[in-house]
Amino acid sequence: EVQLVQSGAEVKKPGEALKISCKGSGYSFATYWIGWVRQMPGKGLEWMGIIYPGDSDTKYSPSFQGQVTISADKSISTAYLQWSTLKASDTAMYYCARRMTPGGYFYPVDVWGQGTTVTVSS
Amino acid sequence: EIVLTQSPGTLSLSPGERATLSCRASQSVDNNYLAWYQQKPGQTPRLLIYGASSRATGIPNRFSGSGSGTDFTLTISRLEPEDFAVYYCQQYYTSRGTFGQGTKVEIK
Repeated sequence: EVQLVQSGAEVKKPGEALKISCKGSGYSFATYWIGWVRQMPGKGLEWMGIIYPGDSDTKYSPSFQGQVTISADKSISTAYLQWSTLKASDTAMYYCARRMTPGGYFYPVDVWGQGTTVTVSS
Repeated sequence: EIVLTQSPGTLSLSPGERATLSCRASQSVDNNYLAWYQQKPGQTPRLLIYGASSRATGIPNRFSGSGSGTDFTLTISRLEPEDFAVYYCQQYYTSRGTFGQGTKVEIK
C-alpha cells in the first residue's frame, strides 16, 4: 500500500526552529515529486513547494521562498519541511503529498499524508 | 501569477440534485493542467479530476470536469450524501501551484 506518514503534532514558541517529516512507503520514493501544502485554521489550501527526492531538485512557491526549507533523504524515504524561526502565523496543518506519476512534474498530487498540526504560541 | 477564483462560495443543494462548480483563472492554464480536490471536515484532500477532465482512480462517474483555457467546471450529476464537502481547484502548471479559495457544497 502506498502511504505517506507524517510526524506528529508540534507545539512551539515563536522564534523556535522546527523540522517536520513525511515518510513514504510502498513505492519508489526517489522517483516521485513530493509537495507540501499549508492549511491555516478554517482556511483553504496553499501550495508551498515541491521536491524530487532523486536529486533534491526543489521548487518553491514565491510566497514561501525564504520562509521554509524543503529537503529529502532518499536513503530513508523521507521528505522534510523546516523553519529556522517560527512565527505565530505559521500555525497551521501541513500536508505532504505525492505527484501521481513517477518522474512527472506536470501532474497533480494524488497521495496525501495525514497532516501535521503545528501550533506556534507564546 | 495565475489566480484561481471559484464560485459560488457556498452551494446549498439537496441530495439527488446536480451541482455545478466554477473555477476561473486570471490567465490561461496551459495544457489544462487543472485539478479538482474534495475535502471533508477533518480529512485530507482527495484528488477527483486532473487534466481538467480526467477522473482519478476510483472516482465515481457522477463527478465530471470540463473546460479549458481560463474557465473550468466541476459537475456532480446527482449529489450523494457523502458528496457534501469543500471542493478546490488547483493549477499545477506553474511553481506556485495555486489553489482556488474553495466552494462549499452544503445540504439544503
